[in-house]
Amino acid sequence: QQQVKQSPQSLIVQKGGISIINCAYENTAFDYFPWYQQFPGKGPALLIAIRPDVSEKKEGRFTISFNKSAKQFSLHIMDSQPGDSATYFCAARRDSGGSNYKLTFGKGTLLTVNP
Amino acid sequence: NAGVMQNPRHLVRRRGQEARLRCSPMKGHSHVYWYRQLPEEGLKFMVYLQKENIIDESGMPKERFSAEFPKEGPSILRIQQVVRGDSAAYFCASSPPRGGHEQYFGPGTRLTVT
Repeated sequence: QQQVKQSPQSLIVQKGGISIINCAYENTAFDYFPWYQQFPGKGPALLIAIRPDVSEKKEGRFTISFNKSAKQFSLHIMDSQPGDSATYFCAARRDSGGSNYKLTFGKGTLLTVNP
Repeated sequence: NAGVMQNPRHLVRRRGQEARLRCSPMKGHSHVYWYRQLPEEGLKFMVYLQKENIIDESGMPKERFSAEFPKEGPSILRIQQVVRGDSAAYFCASSPPRGGHEQYFGPGTRLTVT
């Protein structure tokens, strides 16, 4: 059972364009939704995260949009740059309950930004 | 402040051998998570440990895999009698006490079973 579904699997964008990656989750107990960026040969690094009490969070060129009723969230990368080329993972976690903070990941999106 | 350290970075084992993967969390972090990343797959949770305690091992295969996080020293993920299907990247992440914080990932150990 895949609890977090991510699409598309790969994405090619021109420099300066907008990259959009979507995720959907099933477990309504999830209450923390991070996005990770991973470069080849490296570990994932936290990019931006959101909790369901807000519908949008923006940090620089990166924005998360969150739709609680649809159980969906998305990452928007504005003015995409070649240096943004990486694999992006959405994830979800249940923080309430306070005993286990394991992350459930989507399968990832390989983003290529052409110069 | 050093980040999460994992060693070795690359490990080659023949079928039937044992693989030992080490993870040193960030200073002050007492929570360690191990995740496995298969080719073209996302990371999948394996085990969550606190010092001297296994909190959740629901993602660990029932046989051949074990993990520990002793009072002193790194966390160890041990895979006995490795098979080709164990070939993957293994990442550990650490977080501070009291949970609910960002998990910081190490660079991973890439295990190849020949």
